[in-house]
Amino acid sequence: AQSVTQLGSHVSVSEGALVLLRCNYSSSVPPYLFWYVQYPNQGLQLLLKYTTGATLVKGINGFEAEFKKSETSFHLTKPSAHMSDAAEYFCAVSHILTGGGNKLTFGTGTQLKVEL
Amino acid sequence: KAGVTQTPRYLIKTRGQQVTLSCSPISGHRSVSWYQQTPGQGLQFLFEYFSETQRNKGNFPGRFSGRQFSNSRSEMNVSTLELGDSALYLCASSSGLATNEQFFGPGTRLTVL
Repeated sequence: AQSVTQLGSHVSVSEGALVLLRCNYSSSVPPYLFWYVQYPNQGLQLLLKYTTGATLVKGINGFEAEFKKSETSFHLTKPSAHMSDAAEYFCAVSHILTGGGNKLTFGTGTQLKVEL
Repeated sequence: KAGVTQTPRYLIKTRGQQVTLSCSPISGHRSVSWYQQTPGQGLQFLFEYFSETQRNKGNFPGRFSGRQFSNSRSEMNVSTLELGDSALYLCASSSGLATNEQFFGPGTRLTVL
């Protein structure tokens, strides 16, 4: 079975500092990995995805993530935090289902707080 | 392109009632998935519809059901509501290919009293 672990349910950084949100996955097959962001009272917005190819993936709003197979990790980073980055972030792995299609299995989320 | 829309955004029901939630996917998308989000259980997969057929199902009781129409719009129904059904219900659309990302709507916040 595939699963995702997000280390740190709450992360606090200063504005302008590096953001690092950790995600480790477990998968018996090559994984498809995603990062989503959720602002209060809103749905999930896709930040970036990894399927195949280049292991460093760039997303929206200056975020990027690196797929490291040897470490089974897909950590999310941003060089300089902005107040608007305060939100909850979810890492997810995609399961290819026998009926076709896929479902997402999510981590428990990391709440990012950005302080002045 | 317009995004995924969900109606209503907020609902309050009492135990024992039933509820229907609606989701309109992105134009051209044929797959609609439903997820339940709660503080205790996080985000959990309910089911997926593709071309009017339920293609995949999560581990939820039969009180949770859904359907999809020929225009790809989907509805989700919960019968005999329980307090524990209070949650944010999220709908996601995709093209239906296994490798494609899912795009989420804003969700319907259901409160069961």
